[in-house]
Amino acid sequence: NAGVTQTPKFQVLKTGQSMTLQCAQDMNHNSMYWYRQDPGMGLRLIYYSASEGTTDKGEVPNGYNVSRLNKREFSLRLESAAPSQTSVYFCASSSIGYGYTFGSGTRLTVV
Amino acid sequence: DQQVKQNSPSLSVQEGRISILNCDYTNSMFDYFLWYKKYPAEGPTFLISISSIKDKNEDGRFTVFLNKSAKHLSLHIVPSQPGDSAVYFCAVLPDTGTASKLTFGTGTRLQVTL
Repeated sequence: NAGVTQTPKFQVLKTGQSMTLQCAQDMNHNSMYWYRQDPGMGLRLIYYSASEGTTDKGEVPNGYNVSRLNKREFSLRLESAAPSQTSVYFCASSSIGYGYTFGSGTRLTVV
Repeated sequence: DQQVKQNSPSLSVQEGRISILNCDYTNSMFDYFLWYKKYPAEGPTFLISISSIKDKNEDGRFTVFLNKSAKHLSLHIVPSQPGDSAVYFCAVLPDTGTASKLTFGTGTRLQVTL
């Protein structure tokens, strides 16, 4: 049982480049989330999707876009990467209630 | 405006002793309070939770205490083991409805020494 799978695990981008972080879950969860983790800041919500076809902004959405491709997949796109977006990104999914399951993360460095 | 605060970025405890991790929150309307544990290069994993209608919840070596009047949450680990060394995040939920969003604290790095 894979749970939540994120790709890639590591990525180095140059300022201005674009990329998409992929996330897929196999638990039939309705809701999916993207968080970023920075030192001293904890995990902060970027975007979330309550259900297939809906997306909403979280606490720190600027510079990102998301797509809920289907019930399983929720991608995060950086259109023009900036050094401030250097972070570890976590995707999570949940059913009704508080059963969040997290992926293992994508470590992104923007130079 | 930080809704959830963990004022101790790190904590070192000897094996066998009690570890106490603390968390303060600002909004008295939160419904559920949770603790997550995170090892390096892994995602956070759920550890234990407590509803706002309770003041204590226990699961093996882990106990969470909720003091609503003080808006304070704590996690006790007894006895502490080297495998408990990780970063611990407290988190709050306003409710358990669809896509209820977790808000996390800044984390406390626990090191359990031999």
